[in-house]
Amino acid sequence: DVKVTQSSRYLVKRTGEKVFLECVQDMDHENMFWYRQDPGLGLRLIYFSYDVKMKEKGDIPEGYSVSREKKERFSLILESASTNQTSMYLCASSPRGQGGTEAFFGQGTRLTVV
Amino acid sequence: GEDVEQSLFLSVREGDSSVINCTYTDSSSTYLYWYKQEPGAGLQLLTYIFSNMDMKQDQRLTVLLNKKDKHLSLRIADTQTGDSAIYFCAEMSGNNRLAFGKGNQVVVIP
Repeated sequence: DVKVTQSSRYLVKRTGEKVFLECVQDMDHENMFWYRQDPGLGLRLIYFSYDVKMKEKGDIPEGYSVSREKKERFSLILESASTNQTSMYLCASSPRGQGGTEAFFGQGTRLTVV
Repeated sequence: GEDVEQSLFLSVREGDSSVINCTYTDSSSTYLYWYKQEPGAGLQLLTYIFSNMDMKQDQRLTVLLNKKDKHLSLRIADTQTGDSAIYFCAEMSGNNRLAFGKGNQVVVIP
């Protein structure tokens, strides 16, 4: 059974804290993605990675960074959390070069910054 | 960058057909997708279409692609209460970037 696992379902952090959101996939996928989902705004791409140590900015990278040291793990880092980063964060993975295949999503991390 | 646009809300009676529309701007997109998100659940792939196709049918689902107008639609025939969800269109570019639209909430009225 394929799986994308996000380390936390719910997280509450204080303004200014450094926050790590972890995502692990067990499908040996090359591509991994981080999105945030907000009502009325859909899924917005923050960063993606198509290989180990490779990363590309998405549409809203400001205030975020990522790390892909191993193929199975893609971490999203909020360097200094702010209240406008309160959101649902979704991680996904997919095989590279096979555009007709599915991207698999984790269950999401609902982050609240107070 | 890519910009995927969708309308936000649709209500439909059980048994009727529902149509969800989407526009995109990246003409280099190779594949276009429809994903479904049920309440409290993650996104799941419903269907996809390759950019050189005009239409794809998969049981109750029909996908139409107008590449000239960059318009994608999803028709659900005989809509059922289990079809109530948020539907997202998405496009994958040649650089493996997967971008989603704002989503369309479909509510099926029994």
